[in-house]
Amino acid sequence: NAGVTQTPKFRILKIGQSMTLQCAQDMNHNYMYWYRQDPGMGLKLIYYSVGAGITDKGEVPNGYNVSRSTTEDFPLRLELAAPSQTSVYFCASRWTVNYGYTFGSGTRLTVV
Amino acid sequence: TQLLEQSPQFLSIQEGENLTVYCNSSSVFSSLQWYRQEPGEGPVLLVTVVTGGEVKKLKRLTFQFGDARKDSSLHITAAQPGDTGLYLCAGTNAGGTSYGKLTFGQGTILTVHP
Repeated sequence: NAGVTQTPKFRILKIGQSMTLQCAQDMNHNYMYWYRQDPGMGLKLIYYSVGAGITDKGEVPNGYNVSRSTTEDFPLRLELAAPSQTSVYFCASRWTVNYGYTFGSGTRLTVV
Repeated sequence: TQLLEQSPQFLSIQEGENLTVYCNSSSVFSSLQWYRQEPGEGPVLLVTVVTGGEVKKLKRLTFQFGDARKDSSLHITAAQPGDTGLYLCAGTNAGGTSYGKLTFGQGTILTVHP
């Protein structure tokens, strides 16, 4: 099993550009999450999904959008990139609420 | 918003020493997890604790969940250079509808020198 696959691994965007961070899992997990990680700040929840067609905002959703058309895929869309969105983005999934997360290897995004 | 305070933020020790990392909150968690993260990779789950007072051991690592389920600790015995990394605690809200969302502490960067 591949687990959680994130693409791309690195990306540089110019201010105002848009992009989609891809996330796919092959474990048939219903719960999926997007976090961003900034130095010394732990991980902050951007959006999450409890199943196909169901998404909701996390702690820091501004400037982002998500969709969940299938169980496997949970893409994160950045519209009008800003320097404040420079971060490392992690996608994660879990089987049920008390199970551990399986994380992807992350996307390092720089907005210049 | 529930907060998890981790301490210390940085820890630099020699091989063979013991260490303890703390994770504290004023909120009650239904479960608490510890993760380890290496540079360029995502966090990897070490353990989940769900019962107040629970102690779990993973080789040289001992994890404890506080009786009131508001705090946890990670103790490493005889640290090795391979233990170097970022250690994160994360809790699931005990009340309401959390949908399994985790609240993360800010992390402890551990460096073990040979």
